[in-house]
Amino acid sequence: AQSVAQPEDQVNVAEGNPLTVKCTYSVSGNPYLFWYVQYPNRGLQFLLKYITGDNLVKGSYGFEAEFNKSQTSFHLKKPSALVSDSALYFCAVRGDNYGQNFVFGPGTRLSVLP
Amino acid sequence: NAGVTQTPKFQVLKTGQSMTLQCAQDMNHEYMSWYRQDPGMGLRLIHYSVGAGITDQGEVPNGYNVSRSTTEDFPLRLLSAAPSQTSVYFCASSYSGGTVNFYGYTFGSGTRLTVV
Repeated sequence: AQSVAQPEDQVNVAEGNPLTVKCTYSVSGNPYLFWYVQYPNRGLQFLLKYITGDNLVKGSYGFEAEFNKSQTSFHLKKPSALVSDSALYFCAVRGDNYGQNFVFGPGTRLSVLP
Repeated sequence: NAGVTQTPKFQVLKTGQSMTLQCAQDMNHEYMSWYRQDPGMGLRLIHYSVGAGITDQGEVPNGYNVSRSTTEDFPLRLLSAAPSQTSVYFCASSYSGGTVNFYGYTFGSGTRLTVV
């Protein structure tokens, strides 16, 4: 069975400081890993993905994530947080077998304080 | 280029009423799905479709029906609304992803449903 854990409900960080939002996963086969962001009263927007290749992937708005196969993790990072980064972040995973649906984590609310 | 369009944006139903949430996409995506979002639970898959005429159940299908008569449309029907169905509903679509060019889902803006 596929599953995703986001161990922190809430992450608070000061503007200008680095941020990390954690994600660990369990999936059969090789993972397709995604991060989405949701702003208030909006749908989810794609941030970045890992399917194959370099373990460090770069995405929108200066975000990046590192795929760690041995730790089954895909943590989201940004070197310098902005107040406008405050939002709800979802990690999602599916296996590489066609037909498997994505499973989403419970979400982590990021608050960047000025 | 509208992407994924959901209607209505807000709806209040009385217990026992039925209604249909509409979802349409103009990207010729084969895959479409419905999720519900509840606080602390992330997104849970209700139903999905891998192409016109093909639908299947997700994690929480009870109380909901779907059909896929065209590639573009994937309506979600609530047969007899219950307070437990109070939630935010998202429709999502994608190409059937099996390659490195898979970019995941495109989401609609959501329908906020309250059942009283």
